[in-house]
Amino acid sequence: ETGVTQTPRHLVMGMTNKKSLKCEQHLGHNAMYWYKQSAKKPLELMFVYNFKEQTENNSVPSRFSPECPNSSHLFLHLHTLQPEDSALYLCASSQETSIETQYFGPGTRLLVL
Amino acid sequence: DAKTTQPPSMDCAEGRAANLPCNHSTISGNEYVYWYRQIHSQGPQYIIHGLKNNETNEMASLIITEDRKSSTLILPHATLRDTAVYYCIVKSYSSASKIIFGSGTRLSIRP
Repeated sequence: ETGVTQTPRHLVMGMTNKKSLKCEQHLGHNAMYWYKQSAKKPLELMFVYNFKEQTENNSVPSRFSPECPNSSHLFLHLHTLQPEDSALYLCASSQETSIETQYFGPGTRLLVL
Repeated sequence: DAKTTQPPSMDCAEGRAANLPCNHSTISGNEYVYWYRQIHSQGPQYIIHGLKNNETNEMASLIITEDRKSSTLILPHATLRDTAVYYCIVKSYSSASKIIFGSGTRLSIRP
């Protein structure tokens, strides 16, 4: 596989469920990102990881918990979400958190009931 | 807030050049201009970036004005597959992780 992959591509969950989104990059990059894209709103940066260390948390509620076990994998653990958290969640990677181009995965479309 | 201003929508005939404008009047000297596009229900795709010189690659050309306050993305021969939302972003070298997407331009290519 090449590029940035995300699983699952679609997810429906209740407000009491716990689920995890997975992102994997096959580009040899060191930085990974989580973005949220709600309907009719711009992409919002959520978290940044550089060499497995979290370098940015953009005031994201604690019901979203990221995990980066290594430079190739990034998870977003979800618990007690709200319906307004329904959105497209996009993962991206880049060589470093500098000027380098970010490459995005296809996203996970999440619906919270 | 995004540092760029783009028209919300444009259309272009298939086979013609699509010229997408972007205003970034508050751009600072260390900020690059990036363009991404997002086809419906997919992740954004990098197109091109530049600092002050015009740039060209296999996808598009980027024309940056001399004062760097605006730029134009040119798709030389638009196809139906170029229908997407195009985002113009300014990003500095030092804080490039703070990539901020605006609302973009929804480009529609008509047959």
